[in-house]
This record gives sequence, structure tokens and C-alpha cells, in this order.
Amino acid sequence: QSALTQPASVSGSPGQSITISCTGTSSDIGAFNYVTWYQQHPGKAPKLIIYDVSNRPSGVSNRFSGSKSGNTASLTISGLQAEDEADYYCTSFTRSITLVFGGGTKLTVL
Amino acid sequence: EVQLVESGGGLVQPGGSLRLSCAASGFTFSSYWMHWVRQSPGKGLVLVSGINSDGSMTRYADSVKGRFTISRDNAENTLHVQMNSLRAEDTGVYYCARDGPGGATDFDSWGQGTLVTVSS
Repeated sequence: QSALTQPASVSGSPGQSITISCTGTSSDIGAFNYVTWYQQHPGKAPKLIIYDVSNRPSGVSNRFSGSKSGNTASLTISGLQAEDEADYYCTSFTRSITLVFGGGTKLTVL
Repeated sequence: EVQLVESGGGLVQPGGSLRLSCAASGFTFSSYWMHWVRQSPGKGLVLVSGINSDGSMTRYADSVKGRFTISRDNAENTLHVQMNSLRAEDTGVYYCARDGPGGATDFDSWGQGTLVTVSS
């Protein structure tokens, strides 16, 4: 199973909105509404921020939102803050009953 | 507060073995699927293995099938993975993770990770 495709890096200024894409296939993202997003700060464990495409766990800021169209999922962060600078990973359930991860996107807040 | 604390990592030669453990607290351990997730610089994040709440069902990544065995002790709130015939590509930080709220496999709590290095 190939990894999901994410841009290596994105950047934005404080207060702006950014979107990170995550492209898969009809066997993973396109087949199920089971896309998950994680945020990871350096030296820390990943943190769940979006599950089932667009649901936020309790305690996660509503500045984070998720969506999906066809084989591509997206994470949008609005009102960018310095603390949002981190790596972001997407995952999707697959028809092979496995989990596939994206390669990660480094977000830089300028 | 949910806490997951891994232990058992270290340096091991190719072909060697290690047993990782994860001590859980702050939640009803016996009610959750639990997982091991590896993070390595070259291969990113990989779901290595998972086990259901009572230990009757296990899943493994193809790359570790036949070499790794996941288990749990619900009386002791502990998750384990026995790793045999280790290879260089098994190197990475191993996280213990609790199954999350989604309809498939996601992880809502993670430990701090334990580093496994397979090298001669």
C-alpha cells in the first residue's frame, strides 16, 4: 500500500489560513470517510486533531477543520498562530483493512 | 488523565530480540483496542500492530508478521510487543497508542515513545 501524498512543507503568516492536502486513491481516501489528521511538535508524540474526515476531538481548537473531495482530503487551519508550527500527518483506512499514512507536512508560521 | 508509558527500547543487533512494554493508567484499559505505531526518519509513521480489548484479536503490518507478537495483561493494565528477528528497518521510535473515537483506526492518546535501534 503506497503512502498518502502530502506536500513536504507549507507556510503562512499569523492570522492567515492555510490548507494541507492529502491525496490517496479510490482504495483508501476515496473509499471511506475515515481520514484522520495528527499534529506533531518536535520531540513530542503525535496528537489527534481530526478524525472521520471532519470531526474534532474534545479540546481541539475549532480553528482546525477537515474535509474530503474524491480521493483528496484537506486540513485547514484558520487564524494561524505560532503554536501551530508543527508537522501534520494524515491517515486513511484502506480496502485492504489496513491503515496508510501520509509522509507528513511541515508547517512554518512566518 | 490518560497516561501511556513505554519502556524496553534500546540498541540490539540484527537478528536479536526486544520486548517493549506500555503501562497504561487513567482510563479503563480493558475496554480499548491498543496499538503500537513506529516512527522512523526514512519511512515515516507505520501502524505496527494492534490488539482488541480482551486480547482475542490481533493485527500486524505485513513487514512484521511472524516476527512480532502483541499481547496485553488487562489485570496489570499493560501492553507488550515481543519483537524477534529484528532488522535494520525495524529501527525507530515505538509509540503505544490508544484506539480513538473514529469509525476505523485512529489514536487519541499516545505515549512518549521508546527508541529501538537495530544495528551491528
